[in-house]
Amino acid sequence: SQTIHQWPATLVQPVGSPLSLECTVEGTSNPNLYWYRQAAGRGLQLLFYSVGIGQISSEVPQNLSASRPQDRQFILSSKKLLLSDSGFYLCAWTPGPSRGYTFGSGTRLTVV
Amino acid sequence: AQSVTQPDIHITVSEGASLELRCNYSYGATPYLFWYVQSPGQGLQLLLKYFSGDTLVQGIKGFEAEFKRSQSSFNLRKPSVHWSDAAEYFCAVGDPQAAGNKLTFGGGTRVLVKP
Repeated sequence: SQTIHQWPATLVQPVGSPLSLECTVEGTSNPNLYWYRQAAGRGLQLLFYSVGIGQISSEVPQNLSASRPQDRQFILSSKKLLLSDSGFYLCAWTPGPSRGYTFGSGTRLTVV
Repeated sequence: AQSVTQPDIHITVSEGASLELRCNYSYGATPYLFWYVQSPGQGLQLLLKYFSGDTLVQGIKGFEAEFKRSQSSFNLRKPSVHWSDAAEYFCAVGDPQAAGNKLTFGGGTRVLVKP
């Protein structure tokens, strides 16, 4: 069966520090991968998606970047965190458009 | 581009009572439609989905949703709510024609269940 792993679960980072959040999917190949951010009391904002290795589409210009070095690995990064980067980050994958997404358990990022 | 509106930010319901969560979408054709549930501090879990066929779809945990093309709606219902249904619920729309299989989410409805 397919599983998605996302880590770390929580992270407290100072302003100006780098960030690396990792997401991996098991039990499938060539998934579409997504990074969403959920600010407190708000809905989900799509940050990046990827349809294949090295293929990254950015939805919102900002302080973050994404990479897909391997088929089932999706990484969210930042060189210098801002206070506004705080939030709940969710990774998701889907095998196809009618299947819906499967989400990871999320990372709570607090920038202090 | 498609959009999704969940008009109710919060809903309070008594345990055992029925629940209906509203979802309206904007899209030129028939989109893919989804409902997700999120418990505090957790990821989202898929409750049900619609992309064609019978407009009344059954999901997990006793939930169902009805697609109404004329109203551009996809409302979620449960006949009898349990305390464990307290969570946040998100409606999502997917564009079958768009690259990347992206979903657009509504702002969510938080459900509180009174004993």
